[in-house]
This record gives sequence, C-alpha cells and structure tokens, in this order.
Amino acid sequence: GDSVTQMEGPVTLSEEAFLTINCTYTATGYPSLFWYVQYPGEGLQLLLKATKADDKGSNKGFEATYRKETTSFHLEKGSVQVSDSAVYFCALTERGNKLVFGAGTILRVKS
Amino acid sequence: DAGVIQSPRHEVTEMGQEVTLRCKPISGHNSLFWYRQTMMRGLELLIYFNNNVPIDDSGMPEDRFSAKMPNASFSTLKIQPSEPRDSAVYFCASRRGPAEKLFFGSGTQLSVL
Repeated sequence: GDSVTQMEGPVTLSEEAFLTINCTYTATGYPSLFWYVQYPGEGLQLLLKATKADDKGSNKGFEATYRKETTSFHLEKGSVQVSDSAVYFCALTERGNKLVFGAGTILRVKS
Repeated sequence: DAGVIQSPRHEVTEMGQEVTLRCKPISGHNSLFWYRQTMMRGLELLIYFNNNVPIDDSGMPEDRFSAKMPNASFSTLKIQPSEPRDSAVYFCASRRGPAEKLFFGSGTQLSVL
C-alpha cells in the first residue's frame, strides 16, 4: 500500500540555518503530496502541496519539489526562525483516497 | 467559518467507562477523518467517511472502537469499554474533496486511568 517515510528527528538547528527534511514515498499511481505542520498543542495545518511531477509547493519561505524519478518531496527552508519549531509531517493522497502521513519530524530551532 | 470543532477538548476517565468524542466538520466538506496521535505510534488514521458513508475503517484498533456520521455536520467516535492504552490525542479532520487541503480540529486529549 501507499506509504511515506520521513527522516527521523529531532532536528536541532540554530536560527538562520538551512533546513532540509527528507521525505520519500511509495505509491502505485500518481499521488498528490503535502507537508503539514503541527505547533505545540494544536492540530495539523497544511504548509504546502504539489499535485504533479516537477511541481514546487511553497509557503512561508518553505519549499518542496515533487520528484517522481526519486519519489521524493523534501522540505527546505533557507533560513529558519525560532517560530518554525514544530513537528512536520509529509503526506500523500492518491485517487482521492485517505491521506497517508509519515511519522513526523520534530524541528527545534535555537536562538 | 469556525473550522473543525471537536469536543471535549480534554477527557479524563476511568478504565472500563464509555467515551464519546464529537466532531463538527466544516460546512460543505464531504470527507471526514478520525486520527489518533501518540508518541509511540505517531499519527494513525482510524476511519474516514465520504458523504457520511464509512469508506475505510481498517485503522480502527478493535471492536471497542466505533464511529458514526449520522449527517454531514456531525460525527462521533466511541470507545466502549475504554482502556489505558487508548490514551492519546484524537483528531478529527475534514476536506472539501479529493486532493484538497485537510483541515484539522484542535483535538481531544484523552486520558484513561
């Protein structure tokens, strides 16, 4: 079945450092890909999405490119802030079915 | 729009008691999802509905768990009898359609003593 694998955390960075969180997926067809973010004590919120190969999703300085050849959707940000500290989830949905989430990656940004 | 509304926000109960979690999806959304989040297992999909019909309940742990969606604006997740290992944060989420953004509620923190 469909699945998502994320790099394990926690990822600890200093403010203004470059961020990469790796995400790879397994799917039988052509899924839509998402990054969700969860701040402490809250539900998940959509950060960005891409619906077809080579699409780039972007929001709040975060970017991720849908790479079909490597089945990846890595999340990047050029300069992280303390306020970016949260849990980040990679996810996919295929043929309008259920959303499958990765295990989540904790990001901690120190000032 | 008020977003996805879940109640209660916190629930503390004793083992063996019945627990009912409630969810009101965003108006106009036709898919509703119940997720459970724990440190050990991460975010697990329990069940989801399309147009009030359960589509996939393969994630429901066992017969003690049941979910209903009697109409487009209300869903319940019931645990009977509850056990300490059911302690988790339970999230409800809804979306307008396939590949659309999923909106999450604030969750119900369940503690079974």
